[in-house]
Amino acid sequence: DAGVIQSPRHEVTEMGQEVTLRCKPISGHDYLFWYRQTMMRGLELLIYFNNNVPIDDSGMPEDRFSAKMPNASFSTLKIQPSEPRDSAVYFCASSLWRGGLETQYFGPGTRLLVL
Amino acid sequence: AQSVTQLGSHVSVSEGALVLLRCNYSSSVPPYLFWYVQYPNQGLQLLLKYTTGATLVKGINGFEAEFKKSETSFHLTKPSAHMSDAAEYFCAVSGSGSRLTFGEGTQLTVNP
Repeated sequence: DAGVIQSPRHEVTEMGQEVTLRCKPISGHDYLFWYRQTMMRGLELLIYFNNNVPIDDSGMPEDRFSAKMPNASFSTLKIQPSEPRDSAVYFCASSLWRGGLETQYFGPGTRLLVL
Repeated sequence: AQSVTQLGSHVSVSEGALVLLRCNYSSSVPPYLFWYVQYPNQGLQLLLKYTTGATLVKGINGFEAEFKKSETSFHLTKPSAHMSDAAEYFCAVSGSGSRLTFGEGTQLTVNP
């Protein structure tokens, strides 16, 4: 398996622009997670899905952030409009439910810089 | 509810020395515990996990961790550090609905 795939790997944009981050989970996995990592705040869970349905979006910082999972093999995280404080590394992870025993597999991340 | 505390945001050891990274957890249910490693510019990778049974868990790259219920700890150790072990290490506890709660991470530096 190719693992979790994220694109783009790097994104540089200007404040106010829309940014879309993409994730392809491991085939057969039923959970998908979006995380944000910064020096100041560490690793934060933004939102997660189970069987394409958002379960907990309490970590989404504000309305500028939205996430979708239209099917089992694709998810997007969108920021509109982007701000410099959104600069971070965004990780997608997926797992297969095994009663809490499951391992989350992380993608390589998207490094976002908002100027 | 679950929480994880990693003692020491930075740990520095000499090559060949013992590595000890500390993790304490809080959980309202029997915990499943994980250690992940993050190498520079990469995603997190599972080192090892504790589910049930043997309390000493062996992982990749010579790392192991011991679950101590009485101390609510899950410390990570490696007998002899290698330069390639330099990375950030995250302890995590499994919560509800497959959600993991991560600690703040410990940056390990290995000095030659």
